[in-house]
Amino acid sequence: EPEVTQTPSHQVTQMGQEVILRCVPISNHLYFYWYRQILGQKVEFLVSFYNNEISEKSEIFDDQFSVERPDGSNFTLKIRSTKLEDSAMYFCASSASGTGANVLTFGAGSRLTVL
Amino acid sequence: GQQVMQIPQYQHVQEGEDFTTYCNSSTTLSNIQWYKQRPGGHPVFLIQLVKSGEVKKQKRLTFQFGEAKKNSSLHITATQTTDVGTYFCAGRGGTASKLTFGTGTRLQVTL
Repeated sequence: EPEVTQTPSHQVTQMGQEVILRCVPISNHLYFYWYRQILGQKVEFLVSFYNNEISEKSEIFDDQFSVERPDGSNFTLKIRSTKLEDSAMYFCASSASGTGANVLTFGAGSRLTVL
Repeated sequence: GQQVMQIPQYQHVQEGEDFTTYCNSSTTLSNIQWYKQRPGGHPVFLIQLVKSGEVKKQKRLTFQFGEAKKNSSLHITATQTTDVGTYFCAGRGGTASKLTFGTGTRLQVTL
């Protein structure tokens, strides 16, 4: 079964450092997403991406965050200057369509720990 | 903004007992999806409901979508230890592309 792949599985960084989280979505999917989950809490939407641009973003996704699809396979989330409160599990997801009936396939996540 | 709440937050049952989680949205949803997240895992899609009043079954799991399309429920009959995890409903309001997840219900099943 096709998978969404995320790297690294765990990253530890110092406050103020830049972090890039990488994702390889399912190859024939066109819509890409980042969600985050603080330990024990709900899954929060960050951003959706289609046709090489952001289609929707949440209030969490401020100027410190950016997304990019640098080539035909990778989808990255960059946090420019990490804060302690950025510590969370970051999930990448992809879907075949962006309409109301689309189903998200999630990757295994990248755990970010900011010290 | 759209808020999706679930109750209970946590439930602990003995194997064989039934379990229900309820999902309520602050706005009308175009559809509702349910995901399961095993401990230490990622959300995995279970099912989608689209029509008002729709009921779907998957083996021991029964999913309902409310008539007003603002609430949903998941009922598990005769729980097993493999049912352990957190169950999230997730909905999309109107033409919004983002899927908003509920607060989740963590299910613990013991023998």
